Amino acid sequence: GNSVTQMEGPVTLSEEAFLTINCTYTATGYPSLFWYVQYPGEGLQLLLKATKADDKGSNKGFEATYRKETTSFHLEKGSVQVSDSAVYFCALSDGLMGGQNFVFGPGTRLSVLP
Amino acid sequence: DAGVIQSPRHEVTEMGQEVTLRCKPISGHDYLFWYRQTMMRGLELLIYFNNNVPIDDSGMPEDRFSAKMPNASFSTLKIQPSEPRDSAVYFCASGPLNTEAFFGQGTRLTVV
Repeated sequence: GNSVTQMEGPVTLSEEAFLTINCTYTATGYPSLFWYVQYPGEGLQLLLKATKADDKGSNKGFEATYRKETTSFHLEKGSVQVSDSAVYFCALSDGLMGGQNFVFGPGTRLSVLP
Repeated sequence: DAGVIQSPRHEVTEMGQEVTLRCKPISGHDYLFWYRQTMMRGLELLIYFNNNVPIDDSGMPEDRFSAKMPNASFSTLKIQPSEPRDSAVYFCASGPLNTEAFFGQGTRLTVV
């Protein structure tokens, strides 16, 4: 079945540090890939997405590239801010058979220190 | 659009009581999902609907849980009877076919 694996953290960085959160997936077919962010006390918000191989999703300085050959969708940001402190979820949607079943990774908690 | 609307935001109830969580999806979205989030188990898909029809309820933990979607603009998740281990944040999400899911703010349920 489909699955998503991501580094569970927590990840603690200083402000302006470089961020990488690894995500790999297992799926049949050609899933769409997503990164969601959850700020404290809130629901999940879509951060970025990619729908086919070699697509790069980007938003708010974050980016991730859909790598089919390595089945990966790593999240990166060149310079993190304190306001980026949140939990980040990698997810996929297979959309096969007319159905839609989002599979989420366990989430990675990021803390950015001033 | 106001987004996915869940009510109540917080619910505290005694063990054995019935709990009903409500969700209004974004208009025009064909899919509706119910998730449960806990520290121990993370985010779990409980059930999802397509055009008001339940497609996969394999994530519903036991018969005490039930979900309905009587029309395209409303869904409920009911727990009867509730137990302390049901304490969690319950999220509803909706989405059009093959695109991202939009999440509500969640309902924090505490069963004492």
